[in-house]
Amino acid sequence: DQQVKQNSPSLSVQEGRISILNCDYTNSMFDYFLWYKKYPAEGPTFLISISSIKDKNEDGRFTVFLNKSAKHLSLHIVPSQPGDSAVYFCAAIDNLNTGANSKLTFGKGITLSVRP
Amino acid sequence: NAGVMQNPRHLVRRRGQEARLRCSPMKGHSHVYWYRQLPEEGLKFMVYLQKENIIDESGMPKERFSAEFPKEGPSILRIQQVVRGDSAAYFCASSPKTGTTSGNTIYFGEGSWLTVV
Repeated sequence: DQQVKQNSPSLSVQEGRISILNCDYTNSMFDYFLWYKKYPAEGPTFLISISSIKDKNEDGRFTVFLNKSAKHLSLHIVPSQPGDSAVYFCAAIDNLNTGANSKLTFGKGITLSVRP
Repeated sequence: NAGVMQNPRHLVRRRGQEARLRCSPMKGHSHVYWYRQLPEEGLKFMVYLQKENIIDESGMPKERFSAEFPKEGPSILRIQQVVRGDSAAYFCASSPKTGTTSGNTIYFGEGSWLTVV
């Protein structure tokens, strides 16, 4: 049962353009969401997060939007750079039921390629 | 500025052998998590530990897998009698005590790649 879904396995964009990475979830108890970036043979690196009480969080070139009613979030990267080419994972936490356990539920990831 | 340290980075084991993966959390972090990534899959939660305590092992396979986080030393994920299906990347993550300003931000190590031949 895939509670966090990243339905597009890959995305290719031109350098300088916007990258939009989508993520859907099914568990309405999720209340905190994170995006991680991962290069081959390395661990995931935290990018940006958002609490369910917000609908937008921005950090430099990265913005995450959350639509709770649609159970959908997206990561926008503007402008995209070749160094952004990596696998991006969406993850979610159910704080209410897991308490101190910040157990992450991950999607399968999206491979982003930014063409020079 | 040491991050989460995992070793070995790569481990090859024959079927039936034991694999031990070690994880030292970031300084000041008292919560350790282990995740497994199978090929073409996302990371899957295995176990959550604090010092000398297993808090949540709901993602651990019922047999052959165990984890510990002793009072002194790194956390260890142990896989006994490995099989080919155990081949995967195993990631350790750590976080500070809950309630700090870091909130739910969790930091990952670079992973240990287990290959069972």
